[in-house]
Amino acid sequence: NAGVTQTPKFQVLKTGQSMTLQCAQDMNHNSMYWYRQDPGMGLRLIYYSASEGTTDKGEVPNGYNVSRLNKREFSLRLESAAPSQTSVYFCASSDRGGQGANQPQHFGDGTRLSIL
Amino acid sequence: RKEVEQDPGPFNVPEGATVAFNCTYSNSASQSFFWYRQDCRKEPKLLMSVYSSGNEDGRFTAQLNRASQYISLLIRDSKLSDSATYLCVVNQGGKLIFGQGTELSVKP
Repeated sequence: NAGVTQTPKFQVLKTGQSMTLQCAQDMNHNSMYWYRQDPGMGLRLIYYSASEGTTDKGEVPNGYNVSRLNKREFSLRLESAAPSQTSVYFCASSDRGGQGANQPQHFGDGTRLSIL
Repeated sequence: RKEVEQDPGPFNVPEGATVAFNCTYSNSASQSFFWYRQDCRKEPKLLMSVYSSGNEDGRFTAQLNRASQYISLLIRDSKLSDSATYLCVVNQGGKLIFGQGTELSVKP
């Protein structure tokens, strides 16, 4: 029972390189999310997808793009990595988002990204 | 003002102690509330949802006061395994807003 799977688990990039973080869930959830977590900052929402075919900006979207490839998969892309994007990235999913949602989120085990 | 604010930590308590965490949120339209637990360098995991009537799960009790926009978590009879960071989480329009977390360290 995998839940939410993120790849890779660790990555080191040089400034200016690009990469895509992958996320897949097997719980048939409608909504998926990308967060970053920095020391002393808590988790901050980057982008989310309330349902297949839709994506919306969160609190800190600059420098990122996302693709909801299908119901299972939600990828996060860094087009030109910057040292400020060094962080731990978590993907999450929930049964239903949007107004009135009352569903907790299930998290992947994170991607630790360092940008030199 | 942060949307979700928690007690600053860390809390260092002996085994068997009772410890309480407090959390306030700024948006009165917030719809649902949760406590998550996060172990060091691991993903957050849902500890419990918080209901208006208050709810209990074993040694854990959560309370919500909508009028004061205040959420609490009480842990009774602390165990070593309770050591973690506790995150107060508020659902605003389908997006979860996380507090910074309060670190708990339970000592023998």
